[in-house]
Amino acid sequence: GQQLNQSPQSMFIQEGEDVSMNCTSSSIFNTWLWYKQEPGEGPVLLIALYKAGELTSNGRLTAQFGITRKDSFLNISASIPSDVGIYFCAGPAGGTSYGKLTFGQGTILTVHP
Amino acid sequence: SAVISQKPSRDICQRGTSLTIQCQVDSQVTMMFWYRQQPGQSLTLIATANQGSEATYESGFVIDKFPISRPNLTFSTLTVSNMSPEDSSIYLCSVEVPNYGYTFGSGTRLTVV
Repeated sequence: GQQLNQSPQSMFIQEGEDVSMNCTSSSIFNTWLWYKQEPGEGPVLLIALYKAGELTSNGRLTAQFGITRKDSFLNISASIPSDVGIYFCAGPAGGTSYGKLTFGQGTILTVHP
Repeated sequence: SAVISQKPSRDICQRGTSLTIQCQVDSQVTMMFWYRQQPGQSLTLIATANQGSEATYESGFVIDKFPISRPNLTFSTLTVSNMSPEDSSIYLCSVEVPNYGYTFGSGTRLTVV
């Protein structure tokens, strides 16, 4: 099936630094989603991208849908301790725009005050 | 977006027993999904719960082990049957919300001893 390769696996940064993570796939995705999961919680949607080339911001978060539709990145600017968590990229499988999601392996973010 | 109530939030179960997890949504949704998140891993889709018909299972998951009910458009259950320690995971339900994306419940943390 389709796979999403997410990197880096983990990041240890100082408060105030910017963060960048990305996802790539060998298959085309029509939608890219970025989620954050905190301990004891389910994933929470951060940003949804629906068009190739789309650049969308949500506060200090910015995500882009790659032109080839095979990649996406998420940037976090001026990180703060509450940014700690696991970040997942995801997209509907099979080249559709709806239905079951395929998830990346996740990026574990640790922010040191 | 939809609000999902998932119960129980956590449980410790004896091997060989079964646990039924409930997922209640505050609005009618067409598609409901059940995911498993093994310790330190990403999310893997177990099945798509269809209202009025049998669930559609992903490769590696079978109905006898993970029976699913979907009696109406706001409710679904997942049963983990004849549990073993390998079933210790977080189980999450998710719904697709048109024009928004996918919302997740807070998960059920299952430990099998």
